Amino acid sequence: EAQVTQNPRYLITVTGKKLTVTCSQNMNHEYMSWYRQDPGLGLRQIYYSMNVEVTDKGDVPEGYKVSRKEKRNFPLILESPSPNQTSLYFCATRGSTSYNEQFFGPGTRLTVL
Amino acid sequence: GQSLEQPSEVTAVEGAIVQINCTYQTSGFYGLSWYQQHDGGAPTFLSYNALDGLEETGRFSSFLSRSDSYGYLLLQELQMKDSASYFCADTGRRALTFGSGTRLQVQP
Repeated sequence: EAQVTQNPRYLITVTGKKLTVTCSQNMNHEYMSWYRQDPGLGLRQIYYSMNVEVTDKGDVPEGYKVSRKEKRNFPLILESPSPNQTSLYFCATRGSTSYNEQFFGPGTRLTVL
Repeated sequence: GQSLEQPSEVTAVEGAIVQINCTYQTSGFYGLSWYQQHDGGAPTFLSYNALDGLEETGRFSSFLSRSDSYGYLLLQELQMKDSASYFCADTGRRALTFGSGTRLQVQP
């Protein structure tokens, strides 16, 4: 079954404690992306990756890092989380030919105290 | 910059037709996508318009007018399960920019 997985699904942490949210896809897609969703703001893109070892900033990259060492994985790293990073995070991927459709993971709800 | 505007909330009754509008101000606009998101769930793709005109997929249709920087999602024969948030998105090759979403409430 084609899917995008994220871990953890829920996380409560404290300010300054480094964390990583993993994202993995089994669709052999080159493109992957991270979004955060906040009430009234919709989904905003954090980072995206067009291919392995190629990453670019989205609209709200401050405070986040990503890496793309292999095609299937695209982890999101918060080196020093702050309360304003409390949000719902989604990883997404899309194909190279029909890139209009993005497939989203189930989401990770992060709370930073 | 890019911005897409949608109404924040729409209410309709079961069996009716509802239209959710989206106006955009973007540089380098590529195409307009629509996504559905139920509470607690992930966004799921509904439709995409690269060209002007109407695209139909079952009960859902989507329309784009580039000259008016405007599009809409049309939902027919509304069902209770259609209660969800709907997002339009400027779908570029590199990045995807979402509107803030429209919450649709379908009433019996």
